[in-house]
Amino acid sequence: GENVEQHPSTLSVQEGDSAVIKCTYSDSASNYFPWYKQELGKRPQLIIDIRSNVGEKKDQRIAVTLNKTAKHFSLHITETQPEDSAVYFCAYPSGGSYIPTFGRGTSLIVHP
Amino acid sequence: DAGVTQSPTHLIKTRGQQVTLRCSPKSGHDTVSWYQQALGQGPQFIFQYYEEEERQRGNFPDRFSGHQFPNYSSELNVNALLLGDSALYLCASSFWGRGYQPQHFGDGTRLSIL
Repeated sequence: GENVEQHPSTLSVQEGDSAVIKCTYSDSASNYFPWYKQELGKRPQLIIDIRSNVGEKKDQRIAVTLNKTAKHFSLHITETQPEDSAVYFCAYPSGGSYIPTFGRGTSLIVHP
Repeated sequence: DAGVTQSPTHLIKTRGQQVTLRCSPKSGHDTVSWYQQALGQGPQFIFQYYEEEERQRGNFPDRFSGHQFPNYSSELNVNALLLGDSALYLCASSFWGRGYQPQHFGDGTRLSIL
């Protein structure tokens, strides 16, 4: 979507490495920043989210960080495993609409 | 606890035809949103229904219409199908409320236009 940019489009790592995906947004209307994981042929699933009153949130091997000044939020996956291979989307409810604009997605490939 | 269910899973139509896709929201949810996901892209918002009314709409032509029933289930109708309508159509449900509400997606309907 034009209000959120996601990079990189593809990311290839070795099992055990860390992966970082970044999304940059253009306005300051939202205080909610979710990340979705979509495995091939499956539904997008919410894996972690953060609200703007905190700068970081962790859930086991995944974490999300938020930099409101720079207007970006990032997904961090540590100790990657082959089952982490999927497409990851950030979503940003821009323009105060509460409807998320999705990034173009990052295809993460974890090589055993 | 039943999640979001969509039917059918796959559908093949020809240009000019009409199609109806169905969605049952997650138990307890009252709001349904529909998205179109083209191959290799993120989901694009079509519209959202709450209390049987369309509340918000994305940048889609009025060939795309919908309906929500008293039991919160919803239908997406697409008329005069074009080749470019081929995509995965996702339904997501949530609670209605001020601020962004986390959405739960169904597995989608894969629509192919010949």
